[in-house]
Amino acid sequence: AQKVTQAQTEISVVEKEDVTLDCVYETRDTTYYLFWYKQPPSGELVFLIRRNSFDEQNEISGRYSWNFQKSTSSFNFTITASQVVDSAVYFCALSGGSSNTGKLIFGQGTTLQVKP
Amino acid sequence: DSGVTQTPKHLITATGQRVTLRCSPRSGDLSVYWYQQSLDQGLQFLIQYYNGEERAKGNILERFSAQQFPDLHSELNLSSLELGDSALYFCASSSGTGAVTDTQYFGPGTRLTVL
Repeated sequence: AQKVTQAQTEISVVEKEDVTLDCVYETRDTTYYLFWYKQPPSGELVFLIRRNSFDEQNEISGRYSWNFQKSTSSFNFTITASQVVDSAVYFCALSGGSSNTGKLIFGQGTTLQVKP
Repeated sequence: DSGVTQTPKHLITATGQRVTLRCSPRSGDLSVYWYQQSLDQGLQFLIQYYNGEERAKGNILERFSAQQFPDLHSELNLSSLELGDSALYFCASSSGTGAVTDTQYFGPGTRLTVL
């Protein structure tokens, strides 16, 4: 069965600190995709990144970076120089499976609070 | 703004009632997904449609049903509502065939409160 674990329930940092959100996944599929979504206090889910299982290159987008390590089944997300606007719940998600549908399995989410 | 619209934004109703949640996907997207977000269950996949056909089903209760219409909008019907159905219901859409490769873009959600 597929599973996503975000062990950190809540993280609190002070503005300008770097913070890493952990994501560990379980799957038996060889082809799968990993995602990160952000849910700000307003409630909507905002897509951040998609990664496929064959691409282990790290990715950087501005202050955001992602580290995908297949050997440890992890897809961690780092925010550099955090800002108050980064305060949100962040979800890691997994899609895959022999049925080849788009069903997403979400982790429980990590609440990030960035204090001024 | 993802381009996915959901109505209504908020819905308050009583136990035993029936409600309909509506979703319009992004322009051109043929795939629609429904998810439920609750405090105890987290974000759970309910059902997926591609161009009017059901593509995948998750842990959707028998009291719940959905469909996708020819104009591609989708509706989620919840009946015989219980207190535990109170949740945030998200619709998402994608531009692909609804396969594992698709990126899903989410609407703002409908917050359902059952009293």
